[in-house]
Amino acid sequence: LAKTTQPISMDSYEGQEVNITCSHNNIATNDYITWYQQFPSQGPRFIIQGYKTKVTNEVASLFIPADRKSSTLSLPRVSLSDTAVYYCLVGDQGAGNMLTFGGGTRLMVKP
Amino acid sequence: EAGVAQSPRYKIIEKRQSVAFWCNPISGHATLYWYQQILGQGPKLLIQFQNNGVVDDSQLPKDRFSAERLKGVDSTLKIQPAKLEDSAVYLCASSPRTGSHEQYFGPGTRLTVT
Repeated sequence: LAKTTQPISMDSYEGQEVNITCSHNNIATNDYITWYQQFPSQGPRFIIQGYKTKVTNEVASLFIPADRKSSTLSLPRVSLSDTAVYYCLVGDQGAGNMLTFGGGTRLMVKP
Repeated sequence: EAGVAQSPRYKIIEKRQSVAFWCNPISGHATLYWYQQILGQGPKLLIQFQNNGVVDDSQLPKDRFSAERLKGVDSTLKIQPAKLEDSAVYLCASSPRTGSHEQYFGPGTRLTVT
């Protein structure tokens, strides 16, 4: 699986847009980019997944440039409840391929 | 739709004792995963099942950890004997198909080994 690099922590304020960038320079052709969110004392929750360009759902947007060597998770107008750890994962979804989590980005949203 | 269920939520044992965790995946999900999450780290995959067969257990410490998924539904993860470094949250996840990166996680079991 391609290794990912993301900031260890970020701070933001309520109502702001938060962008978390993940670097994955060695991404392979068949790899997808997936983001998870984890609150304290809970299991990770799938947020969004993409292959190229832009993906948007009711929770977030995922921007992937043409070279796919990085991706940006965008959270619009965050609230205190968005305080969590966000994980970026990259890999081939073929059978038997493991999901490998890194350390994630700890987002702290302040009032 | 019911989520992934795990029990117990918390467990405290002494080192060298044994412990077992139970997981009930989302109905119809063929693939089941067990992860170990040490405080401050991301989850680490221990074992992956497809129905009742093991797909990957390369990171499972087989000298002390074992897991089974009888009948391809519920699963149990056992540690015997436990060590202090096994203190962690044990997460179960399921997905409709093997290899999918869209997985659904349970709340986890927090294990403390003293």
